[in-house]
Parts: sequence; C-alpha cells; structure tokens
Amino acid sequence: DIQMTQSPSSLSASVGDRVTITCRAGQSISTDLNWYQQRPGKAPRLLIYDASSLQSGVPSRFSGSGSGAEFTLTITSLQPEDFATYYCQQSYRTPYTFGQGTKLEIK
Amino acid sequence: QVQLVQSGGEVKKPGSSVKVSCKTSGVTFSTNAISWIRQAPGQGLEWIGGIVPIFEKANYAQKFQGRVTITADKSTSTAYMEVGRLNAEDTAVYFCAREGRGGVNEYWGQGTLVTVSS
Repeated sequence: DIQMTQSPSSLSASVGDRVTITCRAGQSISTDLNWYQQRPGKAPRLLIYDASSLQSGVPSRFSGSGSGAEFTLTITSLQPEDFATYYCQQSYRTPYTFGQGTKLEIK
Repeated sequence: QVQLVQSGGEVKKPGSSVKVSCKTSGVTFSTNAISWIRQAPGQGLEWIGGIVPIFEKANYAQKFQGRVTITADKSTSTAYMEVGRLNAEDTAVYFCAREGRGGVNEYWGQGTLVTVSS
C-alpha cells in the first residue's frame, strides 16, 4: 500500500492568514493526488483533484501543487468556514490511501 | 442535483453482519465507480473498496477481502456494502462516494454510523 503522510497534524491560524499543508507519498504517484475538506459531523468534500485542479464550486483561495511524491495545499486569506480537517488521498493505485489529516484551528 | 442517500445507523452485536445501502440520483450510476470509505471515531479516512456497476466486479483493500461484499443494483441506482463477522473495531461512520475518475471521490453520501457492541 502507498503510505501518505501529512504535515503538520494540526495548525493554528487566524482569519485572513495564508496556510500551507504538505502531503508526502511513499513513492512517486505522478499527479494522482486529491485534497478533501471535512467539517465536524459532515462528509468530506473534494477540493482539489489531480494535484492542482480546482473542483467546481470551490473558492479560488484554495490551490494545490506538486508532483511525484510531494504535494501542497495552500489556502490564502482564511475564512471562518475554512477551519476544518484536511486530508490528502492518492488515486494512483488501489487501495486508495489517505493521509492522517491536518486539523486547522482558529488561533 | 446529485444526491447519494445512505441507509440509517445500525447497532450490531459482535460476530453479526450489517448491510448499508447508498441510493444515487441526479448522476450517471452504471459507468462510474462507487467507493466505500470508513472513519472510526476521531480517526482518519480508510478506503474499503469500490465497484463500477456496469462491470459488476468489486475491488477491495486487502484488509477487507473476504469479509466485505460490495454490490450494485443498476435498476435502482443503489450500491450496497455488507460487512460480516463484525467486531468492535468496525465501529465507524461508513461513507459511500461516487467517483469522477478513478479514485477521485466527487460526491459523497451523508454517512452511516455502524456501532458494534455486545
């Protein structure tokens, strides 16, 4: 199985801040990397697919980059609704594995 | 609009089985995979397996092979996941998700809490 490792595990930030979350794969996965947002008690929501493509309806303050084994999710100008947990997931090969999550909290 | 509506929560005894349904609407059913993903309390996301309804053959994570069965009914646009030989570690919220491309979970069900307790 391809291991996915996110850092940091948690992050405190303020409204208006810019934050970056990193995801590393245990092997090269090309650009087969997706990012999801999950609010408490809700299902995950797809934000970014193919490492850098913005899902329809997702605000442009979210962006993704990377290829191979290292990827980043950047959120510019944090809004109150962005405080949630974020997961990366590889779709290179089954089983489709997820990172352990990054909890973004209000400072 | 696109909807994936899952069946309600279940409480099961250890050793029993549970079957969760996922009815889709507003989106093509047969040609895109439906995945099942679970989340134990306070934990991360774990892919269980998936099925492309038109091919009728499911693919499972090794951990669940032999204990989980994923099926799809094209006539009702409903996918099912059955988990057998339940134990306490299977207590989790189980999500279905409809893939856009392989592994990209575009649309999600609301989740079904399965509690395994004696």
